[in-house]
Amino acid sequence: GAGVSQTPSNKVTEKGKYVELRCDPISGHTALYWYRQSLGQGPEFLIYFQGTGAADDSGLPNDRFFAVRPEGSVSTLKIQRTERGDSAVYLCASSPYRAGELFFGEGSRLTVL
Amino acid sequence: DAKTTQPPSMDCAEGRAANLPCNHSTISGNEYVYWYRQIHSQGPQYIIHGLKNNETNEMASLIITEDRKSSTLILPHATLRDTAVYYCIVRVREGGADGLTFGKGTHLIIQP
Repeated sequence: GAGVSQTPSNKVTEKGKYVELRCDPISGHTALYWYRQSLGQGPEFLIYFQGTGAADDSGLPNDRFFAVRPEGSVSTLKIQRTERGDSAVYLCASSPYRAGELFFGEGSRLTVL
Repeated sequence: DAKTTQPPSMDCAEGRAANLPCNHSTISGNEYVYWYRQIHSQGPQYIIHGLKNNETNEMASLIITEDRKSSTLILPHATLRDTAVYYCIVRVREGGADGLTFGKGTHLIIQP
């Protein structure tokens, strides 16, 4: 079956611009996670959704980062006024239930020039 | 901070068993040990998890010491495709924080 799909796979933007990254989870998975991974580091937790609500957004680095999941399926990670330090691979994962095994997408590579 | 300690890198010959150690000396009684791996340019992939008993599936075996302070992931017959970064993670399965906390993992290189 289809796995977690993330778009775009690559995004190059200029400092100060607004960016949206999309995640299509596995159908029926209620839990959805966003992670960020810098070069040479393990993935860093950003936010977790259970259904439509953000159950844990403690990993969002600042208020420039925001994520939504309005219908409990597709999620969008939104980054305002991008900075060069935001350059990373943004990973999305979904799980069939809370605290279940996570299924990751291939990631969206963001480069801020 | 990650609650596990892993060697940064390991080599293993193709066809041999790869044994990846993980130290989790502060693990709580309700925390499970999970292993994920990440092949270059891909998202992490779930491998196996366990609480206190040894576990085996089609990918690997997980050996947890009796005191649960350490564990070993075993890939019985390593292939070149097993070259990846392997992450050992401890996590409460029910009622705890839901996000996985990744460390830097072990970069396993399978040599032909």
